[in-house]
Amino acid sequence: NAGVTQTPKFQVLKTGQSMTLQCAQDMNHNSMYWYRQDPGMGLRLIYYSASEGTTDKGEVPNGYNVSRLNKREFSLRLESAAPSQTSVYFCASSYFDRSGNTIYFGEGSWLTVV
Amino acid sequence: GENVEQHPSTLSVQEGDSAVIKCTYSDSASNYFPWYKQELGKGPQLIIDIRSNVGEKKDQRIAVTLNKTAKHFSLHITETQPEDSAVYFCGGSNYKLTFGKGTLLTVNP
Repeated sequence: NAGVTQTPKFQVLKTGQSMTLQCAQDMNHNSMYWYRQDPGMGLRLIYYSASEGTTDKGEVPNGYNVSRLNKREFSLRLESAAPSQTSVYFCASSYFDRSGNTIYFGEGSWLTVV
Repeated sequence: GENVEQHPSTLSVQEGDSAVIKCTYSDSASNYFPWYKQELGKGPQLIIDIRSNVGEKKDQRIAVTLNKTAKHFSLHITETQPEDSAVYFCGGSNYKLTFGKGTLLTVNP
């Protein structure tokens, strides 16, 4: 059981380049998320998908697009990378029941934009 | 929306001592409060959580307490060990999970 798998693990981009971060989960979760983590800022939600076919903006969506390809996969795209997007990106998935929303994270993708 | 504040931002303890990390939340409708541990170079991992109908939960050396009236909850780690050194995040959720900014815990041998 792999859980949440994201690729690539490390990437260096030049300003203006585009790239897609891939994420897949094998836990049959309905909801998936993309977070970014910066020093002193904690985990900030970029986009989330409550279920297949739906996506919604989180706290910091500017400069990003997402695609919920199917129930398993949720990709994050940077169309024109900027140095401010240098960060660690985490994909996550969750099930939601009446008593809460337990989220499981991937191992992270380290992105540097130069 | 929910706002979660976490204190302290850094905490240093001697091995064997206890560590306490506190969080406050703003949305009285929040009903789920997880704690995550993040080791260097890895993703956050859930270590314990508490639902709003429970005041305290324990799992070996880790415990979480919740005070709904005051809207705060705390993580307690007893008999700390060097492998407890990590960043800890609290979260509050009604539907969407909001995280605190994290606490860097260092356990000195």
